[in-house]
Amino acid sequence: DVKVTQSSRYLVKRTGEKVFLECVQDMDHENMFWYRQDPGLGLRLIYFSYDVKMKEKGDIPEGYSVSREKKERFSLILESASTNQTSMYLCASSYPRGGNTEAFFGQGTRLTVV
Amino acid sequence: KQEVTQIPAALSVPEGENLVLNCSFTDSAIYNLQWFRQDPGKGLTSLLLIQSSQREQTSGRLNASLDKSSGRSTLYIAASQPGDSATYLCAVSKGHYKLSFGAGTTVTVRA
Repeated sequence: DVKVTQSSRYLVKRTGEKVFLECVQDMDHENMFWYRQDPGLGLRLIYFSYDVKMKEKGDIPEGYSVSREKKERFSLILESASTNQTSMYLCASSYPRGGNTEAFFGQGTRLTVV
Repeated sequence: KQEVTQIPAALSVPEGENLVLNCSFTDSAIYNLQWFRQDPGKGLTSLLLIQSSQREQTSGRLNASLDKSSGRSTLYIAASQPGDSATYLCAVSKGHYKLSFGAGTTVTVRA
């Protein structure tokens, strides 16, 4: 079974802190994604990566950056956390199969910024 | 821009009843459609993936159909159980990477 593991289930951080969310997948997937999920807004793509050291902005990249130094690990960085970044963060990975991709998600990180 | 709509937003049924969940999308040029389940406070679990060339996909009590030309997919869950209570999301993929999600249907199965 594909396993996508996020480093924390719950995090509480202070405004202005630098925050790292880590995600690891064990299936040698090329593609990795970071989403945030908010009530009434659904899932929104922050960043994705289709290869090591490669990244592309999603729909809401402002205030975030990412790092992919190894194929299995994709990190989301909040440079200076703000209260409006309180959210559920979801990591996903996928492997292209003949142009069609199946996405697998981690268990989520509930981040609260106070 | 791809818009994905799920109706109804919430559904409550007695145990044993069949569930019918709907998903519609505005751009029919998709690569695939995926159905997910999400339990409260948890991540998404992949249920079924339908590729653009397929009309349906089945797994146990779950069956999903896809009509690309009309921009619709339906997820059927037979003989519902209280353990089926969750939020169900559909997502469509147009490119190799990006998924567009619906807002989900929250299902409650009453014992």
